[in-house]
Amino acid sequence: NAGVTQTPKFQVLKTGQSMTLQCAQDMNHNSMYWYRQDPGMGLRLIYYSASEGTTDKGEVPNGYNVSRLNKREFSLRLESAAPSQTSVYFCASSEGTSGYQETQYFGPGTRLLVL
Amino acid sequence: GEDVEQSLFLSVREGDSSVINCTYTDSSSTYLYWYKQEPGAGLQLLTYIFSNMDMKQDQRLTVLLNKKDKHLSLRIADTQTGDSAIYFCAEPIYNQGGKLIFGQGTELSVKP
Repeated sequence: NAGVTQTPKFQVLKTGQSMTLQCAQDMNHNSMYWYRQDPGMGLRLIYYSASEGTTDKGEVPNGYNVSRLNKREFSLRLESAAPSQTSVYFCASSEGTSGYQETQYFGPGTRLLVL
Repeated sequence: GEDVEQSLFLSVREGDSSVINCTYTDSSSTYLYWYKQEPGAGLQLLTYIFSNMDMKQDQRLTVLLNKKDKHLSLRIADTQTGDSAIYFCAEPIYNQGGKLIFGQGTELSVKP
């Protein structure tokens, strides 16, 4: 099992450009998540998907869109990148069972620099 | 809403014990988690504690939970240079499936 994979590993964009970050998991998990990590701020949830076909906003959704293509894949799109979106982006997945011990499994991250 | 607070930095000498502290807000949390992030990598679950426990020990790791004060701590005994990483505590967001809220992370630096 590869676990959670993310592409690309690193990307440089100019302000106003668009791009899609890809995420896939092979653990048959129901829930998937996109976070951004900035120094001193921990991880902040951008969007999540509790099941195939559903998505919901997290703490910092502005400037992003997501798509839960199927159970395996959850993509994050920046339509018009801004320097404030320079960050490290992590995708995660979990079984998604409320009230029980729930481990989130993380991908290796995508480092995005917006100039 | 829920909030999780941690101090940002901790520096210890190799062989000493490290104690990383965390405060949380949601008293209904069933589980509380510690994740570890090594440089350039994603987060990995280190350990967790069920809310009806006061303490959990796992080899060099000891988790202490004080529900009255909503305080969680992670003690690493005999800290090694390989323990240098960022440690995050996390609690579930009430009634929202597997969603977690993370603290800011504590960067542990272990000096030889």
